[in-house]
Amino acid sequence: GQQVMQIPQYQHVQEGEDFTTYCNSSTTLSNIQWYKQRPGGHPVFLIQLVKSGEVKKQKRLTFQFGEAKKNSSLHITATQTTDVGTYFCAGGAAGNKLTFGGGTRVLVKP
Amino acid sequence: DTGVSQDPRHKITKRGQNVTFRCDPISEHNRLYWYRQTLGQGPEFLTYFQNEAQLEKSRLLSDRFSAERPKGSFSTLEIQRTEQGDSAMYLCASSLGHVSLSYNEQFFGPGTRLTVL
Repeated sequence: GQQVMQIPQYQHVQEGEDFTTYCNSSTTLSNIQWYKQRPGGHPVFLIQLVKSGEVKKQKRLTFQFGEAKKNSSLHITATQTTDVGTYFCAGGAAGNKLTFGGGTRVLVKP
Repeated sequence: DTGVSQDPRHKITKRGQNVTFRCDPISEHNRLYWYRQTLGQGPEFLTYFQNEAQLEKSRLLSDRFSAERPKGSFSTLEIQRTEQGDSAMYLCASSLGHVSLSYNEQFFGPGTRLTVL
């Protein structure tokens, strides 16, 4: 079945620095979604990418969908303490169920 | 609060007992999903409904698990003869889903944390 992998598993970032987290699928995706889960919380939708090569920005967050629609990345600039949490990518197949990656746990050092 | 709600928030049970969880989705959402999340992992798909129809069930889901959405609104997830390996957070999510739309943002509830002793 479809597998979604994320790297790194942990990201320790100094406040103010940039970082990127990567997501790879074993199969071609119809779409990819990104969610953020704060400690003790539930996943909250951030964005969806549908088109090959698509790039979307949300303030300091930049999301990219690969040309082959098998990988994606999330780049955060000028990291803030509010960015703490786990970022999940989730591969969508036929717009129905999502296959989540293992997540990247982001810790911010002030 | 018009978000997804789940009840109970926590459940502690002894091995072998049956448990049932409830999910109330956002009222206008026709799709409802159940996921399971263990510590340090991403949510794992269990099953989903479009209105009252259960359209897909994970192959990983044992026969001890059953879900219903009888009137296309709230849903229940039952686990029979619980095992220690069933201990996890059970998340419910809902969304609007139409064939013509690719947009399928899912709104998650707070989850039910199950502990099997």
